[in-house]
Amino acid sequence: AQSVTQPDIHITVSEGASLELRCNYSYGATPYLFWYVQSPGQGLQLLLKYFSGDTLVQGIKGFEAEFKRSQSSFNLRKPSVHWSDAAEYFCAVTISNFGNEKLTFGTGTRLTIIP
Amino acid sequence: NAGVMQNPRHLVRRRGQEARLRCSPMKGHSHVYWYRQLPEEGLKFMVYLQKENIIDESGMPKERFSAEFPKEGPSILRIQQVVRGDSAAYFCASSPPRSKNPNTEAFFGQGTRLTVV
Repeated sequence: AQSVTQPDIHITVSEGASLELRCNYSYGATPYLFWYVQSPGQGLQLLLKYFSGDTLVQGIKGFEAEFKRSQSSFNLRKPSVHWSDAAEYFCAVTISNFGNEKLTFGTGTRLTIIP
Repeated sequence: NAGVMQNPRHLVRRRGQEARLRCSPMKGHSHVYWYRQLPEEGLKFMVYLQKENIIDESGMPKERFSAEFPKEGPSILRIQQVVRGDSAAYFCASSPPRSKNPNTEAFFGQGTRLTVV
């Protein structure tokens, strides 16, 4: 079964600093990859997704992620964080092309922004 | 086009009562997924439904939990005889068939936060 690992439970960065959140997956084929953000008490908002093609994908709010097949990774990056980026970030994968597309989530990384 | 609607947003039940959580998918979406998020954890898949059919319930607890997605009306996640360990946030997601929209993704509702006292 596929799995997703987010090795960093909690990350603190200064406002304006760069950010990288790590995500590794375990699956034999290339999955569909997603990053979601969750603010406290809220639902999940999609930041970006990778299905195929260009391995560097751009998302909303200035986020980007790079799919590296050799490392089974899909790390999320932002060049300069804003205080409003403080939230929980989840990496997720699905393996389906057509049919059951249930998502497997990582355990999340909580991002704290300090002034 | 309204997003995925879940209600109630917050639900408090005493141990032994029943909890019914509702999810209305986005218009045109025929696939519904339920996930559970325990405190300080990620989301775990519970069940995948299409209209009038349960496609995959591999993540559902074997007892007390059931789900349906009738021809008319919202999808319902039902928890009978709730226990404290059922306290969690329950999220619903919907998507159109990928056969019709290959580059789509699942859209999530705001969740229902169940507290069992």
